[in-house]
Amino acid sequence: QQQVKQSPQSLIVQKGGISIINCAYENTAFDYFPWYQQFPGKGPALLIAIRPDVSEKKEGRFTISFNKSAKQFSLHIMDSQPGDSATYFCAASRANAGKSTFGDGTTLTVKP
Amino acid sequence: GAVVSQHPSRVICKSGTSVKIECRSLDFQATTMFWYRQFPKQSLMLMATSNEGSKATYEQGVEKDKFLINHASLTLSTLTVTSAHPEDSSFYICSATLRTAVFPSTDMQYFGPGTRLTVL
Repeated sequence: QQQVKQSPQSLIVQKGGISIINCAYENTAFDYFPWYQQFPGKGPALLIAIRPDVSEKKEGRFTISFNKSAKQFSLHIMDSQPGDSATYFCAASRANAGKSTFGDGTTLTVKP
Repeated sequence: GAVVSQHPSRVICKSGTSVKIECRSLDFQATTMFWYRQFPKQSLMLMATSNEGSKATYEQGVEKDKFLINHASLTLSTLTVTSAHPEDSSFYICSATLRTAVFPSTDMQYFGPGTRLTVL
C-alpha cells in the first residue's frame, strides 16, 4: 500500500518557468512533510519542509503549499533554472517518529 | 551543519566477499539512523532502522543475516553486506536523524552521499 503518491513522474520546464510537483498522502497521523532534491549519484538533500499548522512555506524560490483537508501538498519552484534539474522526492512522517514514507520521485528537467 | 558522510563512496568486490559501509554524522549525535537501497530511477527503499545500542529493525523482506547493521555510537552506523552477490549491486544510502530543539520538535533526516556497490 503506497501511502504517498507523487506526480508527475517527469517534468520538463523552460528556464524561468514554474515547476509544480504534487503529492498526496493517506495516513492522517503524518505531521511532517519534507521535500528532498537528489542529483545523479548523490544522496538526497533536504530542500524544504512543512508542518500542517501552516498552509504555505516559502524559502527563496521554493514554496510548499499544504492542504490538510485534501491530504495533499505540493512543491513550487519559481524561476526554474537548469541547475534545478534533479529528482525531487516528497515524504511524509510523524514528526517525532523519524521514519519517512517517500513518494516515487519526479525527474525535473529545466531547459535553457 | 547536519552533515552525514559515508565511506566508501564506491566499492567493487567479487561475489562471495563481504563489504562494510560506514555512515557517520559529523557534527551532531543521531539516535536513529536509517539505511536505504536505491535502484536506478527509483525511489528510496528503506532497509532497516538503526538505533544506538540496540538491534536494528529490518523491513519486511530484508534479510537480517545478509545485511548486518551495527550502531556502535551516536555518530556511527555500519552496514555489512555479507557474501555479496551481483543482485546486491545497488546504491546504498544512509540517513541520520536530528531532533530539532525548537518547539514543535521534529525529527529531521539528513542523508549521506551514498555508496555505489558493484558485485562482480
